Amino acid sequence: NAGVTQTPKFRVLKTGQSMTLLCAQDMNHEYMYWYRQDPGMGLRLIHYSVGEGTTAKGEVPDGYNVSRLKKQNFLLGLESAAPSQTSVYFCASSFSGRETGELFFGEGSRLTVL
Amino acid sequence: GQQVMQIPQYQHVQEGEDFTTYCNSSTTLSNIQWYKQRPGGHPVFLIQLVKSGEVKKQKRLTFQFGEAKKNSSLHITATQTTDVGTYFCAGSDGGFKTIFGAGTRLFVKA
Repeated sequence: NAGVTQTPKFRVLKTGQSMTLLCAQDMNHEYMYWYRQDPGMGLRLIHYSVGEGTTAKGEVPDGYNVSRLKKQNFLLGLESAAPSQTSVYFCASSFSGRETGELFFGEGSRLTVL
Repeated sequence: GQQVMQIPQYQHVQEGEDFTTYCNSSTTLSNIQWYKQRPGGHPVFLIQLVKSGEVKKQKRLTFQFGEAKKNSSLHITATQTTDVGTYFCAGSDGGFKTIFGAGTRLFVKA
């Protein structure tokens, strides 16, 4: 049982390049989330999904897009990377959404934009 | 929108001393969760509080949820070096979003 798996774990981009982070969970969770973590700012919610085919904006959605074509996968895209998007990105999933239950996190993806 | 504030940002303690971190929400919460993140790791769920005035204990850790369901605290008794890490509170106002506080980073000196 792998839990929540993120790929890639590390990536270096140049300004303006695009990339996609993949999150996969094998727990049959309905709800999935993308957070970014920056020093001193905790975890900020980028986008989330309450089920296959649905997505919604979180606290800091600008510059990111997401897709949830399959229940087990949640993709985070950067169309034109900027240095301000240098961060550690965490994907999380939970069994219940409203009255949210425990979040299970992936190990994180460290992104550097030069 | 919903905001969750957490203090202090850092805390240095001597091993054996107690430690407390406080969390305040701008809105009434339906529940609050606490997570621990070890250096270089990912957040790991510790506990969830749902009821007004709820108090839960896990060994040396005591978690409280305020009567108004807008604040919470985590208290560690007699810290150990294994307690090192960042402690986050995370709240939900009943919607689908879980909003995290900025975290309190705990340093323990042996």
